[in-house]
Amino acid sequence: DAGITQSPRHKVTETGTPVTLRCHQTENHRYMYWYRQDPGHGLRLIHYSYGVKDTDKGEVSDGYSVSRSKTEDFLLTLESATSSQTSVYFCAITYARGETQYFGPGTRLLVL
Amino acid sequence: GQQLNQSPQSMFIQEGEDVSMNCTSSSIFNTWLWYKQDPGEGPVLLIALYKAGELTSNGRLTAQFGITRKDSFLNISASIPSDVGIYFCAGDGGTNAGKSTFGDGTTLTVKP
Repeated sequence: DAGITQSPRHKVTETGTPVTLRCHQTENHRYMYWYRQDPGHGLRLIHYSYGVKDTDKGEVSDGYSVSRSKTEDFLLTLESATSSQTSVYFCAITYARGETQYFGPGTRLLVL
Repeated sequence: GQQLNQSPQSMFIQEGEDVSMNCTSSSIFNTWLWYKQDPGEGPVLLIALYKAGELTSNGRLTAQFGITRKDSFLNISASIPSDVGIYFCAGDGGTNAGKSTFGDGTTLTVKP
């Protein structure tokens, strides 16, 4: 298994509060991704990173920001959480563009 | 953005039966990927296809990359109870190289 961890694994928060999710990898892979998964839907890309301090938006980036100050860590921040951001968030990594992505175990976020 | 149509949405089958699911897209992909997701886990790659027309097997699983590069199918032969889960197709490469586009998934239930 690829060395990917996500923290926290579960979080309950209130509308309007900031939330930061962490993805940590031990594989030294260059590319990292944040997805959200909602019932009945596949995974939708929020943001991705192609190197330290290099990030770009995915298809559902509104309301989210990311940071990558080290190769091994990719942070996803909800500046002011809303109920529509209740979801399961998955981090993924890949060593090269177009190669297989390996997924973390996910973070379940509930925004009340 | 790119969209994948995955069907069927769900399947209820008897143990021992064969299963077939497919994905179609209006866009061309350079890579087709099939993942399985168990409850509470992240998706795990089953099969990766890199060439139009390619037919690849992984145990009881067989997948093909359509010659138009706009579709793919996954077959599971002689299903067993541990095949239960959600199966996702994903397209990678083409106009969004490095970012996978996921189908909405096929939920498979296998009755013993």
